Amino acid sequence: SQQGEEDPQALSIQEGENATMNCSYKTSINNLQWYRQNSGRGLVHLILIRSNEREKHSGRLRVTLDTSKKSSSLLITASRAADTASYFCATAGSGNTGKLIFGQGTTLQVKP
Amino acid sequence: DGGITQSPKYLFRKEGQNVTLSCEQNLNHDAMYWYRQDPGQGLRLIYYSQIVNDFQKGDIAEGYSVSREKKESFPLTVTSAQKNPTAFYLCASSIDGVHTGELFFGEGSRLTVL
Repeated sequence: SQQGEEDPQALSIQEGENATMNCSYKTSINNLQWYRQNSGRGLVHLILIRSNEREKHSGRLRVTLDTSKKSSSLLITASRAADTASYFCATAGSGNTGKLIFGQGTTLQVKP
Repeated sequence: DGGITQSPKYLFRKEGQNVTLSCEQNLNHDAMYWYRQDPGQGLRLIYYSQIVNDFQKGDIAEGYSVSREKKESFPLTVTSAQKNPTAFYLCASSIDGVHTGELFFGEGSRLTVL
């Protein structure tokens, strides 16, 4: 069952602009993770935010989590052409099963 | 360098043939996973293994089989029973078997059925 839903499905911006991607989910979570995938490659882990955290930063990345709205956002500041990729959120459900479930992703194109 | 190695990167199969995708990790991780990715889609879990000699079905296990005889190896066999096997297959590992922590991915294997 698909847990995370992301929007927009596709995003095109100019280099230097900020990019914001959103992820919504349905059930309670242990944590939420963001991954990046370059075309035809494997996924790379970007950041993990736990259910008791509201915001986390890593370099040009800022992730927020609102458990009351069951949503998260990933902000990439001062984007670069090299940020062009697909970005996926993945939710780890609370409870014993705790399986990591991936959303369908947002495809980001950063134009030089 | 530590990481996950998948092979082959590209594989072509005739209908009715079984194929095996290799996944090897030297990260000393306990848990390993196989995901399937279709164009424009997210990842769907096929099988996972939290410890050697044990594995569990994921959400779409039908038509697939796995083994975990060694900690570092988790091969996936796509059998002829899999109705639509053309896809991008990703292997991943994590430090423990809780399946809620960070996943480390290989570069993927693209299977095409002719």
